[in-house]
Amino acid sequence: KNEVEQSPQNLTAQEGEFITINCSYSVGISALHWLQQHPGGGIVSLFMLSSGKKKHGRLIATINIQEKHSSLHITASHPRDSAVYICAVSLNNDMRFGAGTRLTVKP
Amino acid sequence: DSGVTQTPKHLITATGQRVTLRCSPRSGDLSVYWYQQSLDQGLQFLIQYYNGEERAKGNILERFSAQQFPDLHSELNLSSLELGDSALYFCASSFWGGTTNTGELFFGEGSRLTVL
Repeated sequence: KNEVEQSPQNLTAQEGEFITINCSYSVGISALHWLQQHPGGGIVSLFMLSSGKKKHGRLIATINIQEKHSSLHITASHPRDSAVYICAVSLNNDMRFGAGTRLTVKP
Repeated sequence: DSGVTQTPKHLITATGQRVTLRCSPRSGDLSVYWYQQSLDQGLQFLIQYYNGEERAKGNILERFSAQQFPDLHSELNLSSLELGDSALYFCASSFWGGTTNTGELFFGEGSRLTVL
């Protein structure tokens, strides 16, 4: 079983919809990252969290350390949000990645 | 633009060969991290250097090695290449060198290696 599980694997939404991507992990962590990978392959770091909630524009990330769970929310989704979203956790000199959630936002 | 530069962008080589991938971190960042992204294994952490010293090691094969130079650029050397080494290799940089927390990461565009 992967130490970092993301759901859903694939997500298709209509423009304007509210989107939630979930990440659960089974190990003790020092921080959790949400990454965005566009079709061209480049990776952008969206958030780094160790507790609570962060907001950047239309993106919101939350983490519940006790439940070992994080969510990434996108409000008023747009076709340009189409990408793979990857959850990654930092622990003990290492970093583990989820398999990613492929999001497609249709106009 | 993240400020992290990786070269080459694409590389095609044959089994058994050796290649070197290069990464220049964002100005002011002291840590460089290397990652491999393959179709079957997803993203994996390989190794971290901080200010010239190896700081953390992940799933890096013995055929692979890395170093960070005094000007803070880093090179990842892949030798005795196998078909399964075909992947995207990313580097990322951060200001912090913590072993439990990377701080915010800035990724390069990646180097796509194809081994034939």
